[in-house]
Amino acid sequence: LAKTTQPISMDSYEGQEVNITCSHNNIATNDYITWYQQFPSQGPRFIIQGYKTKVTNEVASLFIPADRKSSTLSLPRVSLSDTAVYYCLVVLLSGGYNKLIFGAGTRLAVHP
Amino acid sequence: GAGVSQTPSNKVTEKGKYVELRCDPISGHTALYWYRQSLGQGPEFLIYFQGTGAADDSGLPNDRFFAVRPEGSVSTLKIQRTERGDSAVYLCASSLQASGYEQYFGPGTRLTVT
Repeated sequence: LAKTTQPISMDSYEGQEVNITCSHNNIATNDYITWYQQFPSQGPRFIIQGYKTKVTNEVASLFIPADRKSSTLSLPRVSLSDTAVYYCLVVLLSGGYNKLIFGAGTRLAVHP
Repeated sequence: GAGVSQTPSNKVTEKGKYVELRCDPISGHTALYWYRQSLGQGPEFLIYFQGTGAADDSGLPNDRFFAVRPEGSVSTLKIQRTERGDSAVYLCASSLQASGYEQYFGPGTRLTVT
């Protein structure tokens, strides 16, 4: 499974756009890029998944360049409630299921 | 609708004791996963069930850990002869199908071994 590298922590302010970049240099052809969000005392929550180019949903956008060796999670106009840990995962459907391997994630702190 | 639930939310036990942690997945979800999360770390995969069978238990740290899912819904993670190093948050997740890309996590059980 491809190893991911992302910032340990980031700070932002309410109303700003936040971009968290994740590198996954040895991503394989059949791997997908997935992001989860985790608030304190809760389990992780799926945010978005993509294979290439750009994916957008009601929560975030995911930008993946053509070489797929990195990806950027974009959170528009963050609020205090977006303070959380964000995990970038490279997921391979192997053995008939998606095995999630989490790193330490990026701790995002949003300030007033 | 109801999400994944886990009981108890907190469990304090003495070293050497036996504990059981319960997970109720979302109704109809065939795939169920257990993870363990230590402070400041991301969740660590333990075991995956497809239906009643453990399809991948490669993440269980040793033979003191065991999990069952006898009827293909509720699952129980069992830890024998607990050690202080077992202290962590134990998370359960489920997905509609194993090939589904979204796993739904419960709030976890915080286990403290004294």
